[in-house]
Amino acid sequence: NAGVMQNPRHLVRRRGQEARLRCSPMKGHSHVYWYRQLPEEGLKFMVYLQKENIIDESGMPKERFSAEFPKEGPSILRIQQVVRGDSAAYFCASSPPGRQNEKLFFGSGTQLSVL
Amino acid sequence: GENVEQHPSTLSVQEGDSAVIKCTYSDSASNYFPWYKQELGKGPQLIIDIRSNVGEKKDQRIAVTLNKTAKHFSLHITETQPEDSAVYFCAANTPPSNTGKLIFGQGTTLQVKP
Repeated sequence: NAGVMQNPRHLVRRRGQEARLRCSPMKGHSHVYWYRQLPEEGLKFMVYLQKENIIDESGMPKERFSAEFPKEGPSILRIQQVVRGDSAAYFCASSPPGRQNEKLFFGSGTQLSVL
Repeated sequence: GENVEQHPSTLSVQEGDSAVIKCTYSDSASNYFPWYKQELGKGPQLIIDIRSNVGEKKDQRIAVTLNKTAKHFSLHITETQPEDSAVYFCAANTPPSNTGKLIFGQGTTLQVKP
């Protein structure tokens, strides 16, 4: 059973470009979460999604950031018009049905670098 | 807002010694406390978790204790080995939202010297 898969592992963008991060949850998991980690810091919650629904986006910046988890395919975190402050590691996690706030399994992350 | 404080930020021990990492949470409604281990270049891996109806939980060399009254919880690693070297994060949930939002501590870098 493959774990949470994230791609790309590394993403380099110039200021003003768009960044698109993908996450495939573990097989059988229906809850997806995105967290951001700045250097030397803990993880900060961004958004929680179920299939086709955003459940909690209280940690998402109001502008430029969006997330989706379509019926088919991976979850996508999209950052438009990136700025240097968006440089961070972005981690996706998933959890089994019925355990939406426990047993989060994290992927290896996408390291976003904005030049 | 909700907050989790973690100490120490760095910890160096000799192989075979014990290591203890402590966390304090602010939200008295929190009832789930996981611990994650993060190795360089990898995502956090769940190593042990505890719910608030339990005071202690053990899994081989790893144990977690919880003091609900004081809002403290701790990770104990006994007989440390070099492969235990990593960054450890504590976290607490945020009911009643029940949305999977975890508040993480700032992390502890554990170094186990051979």
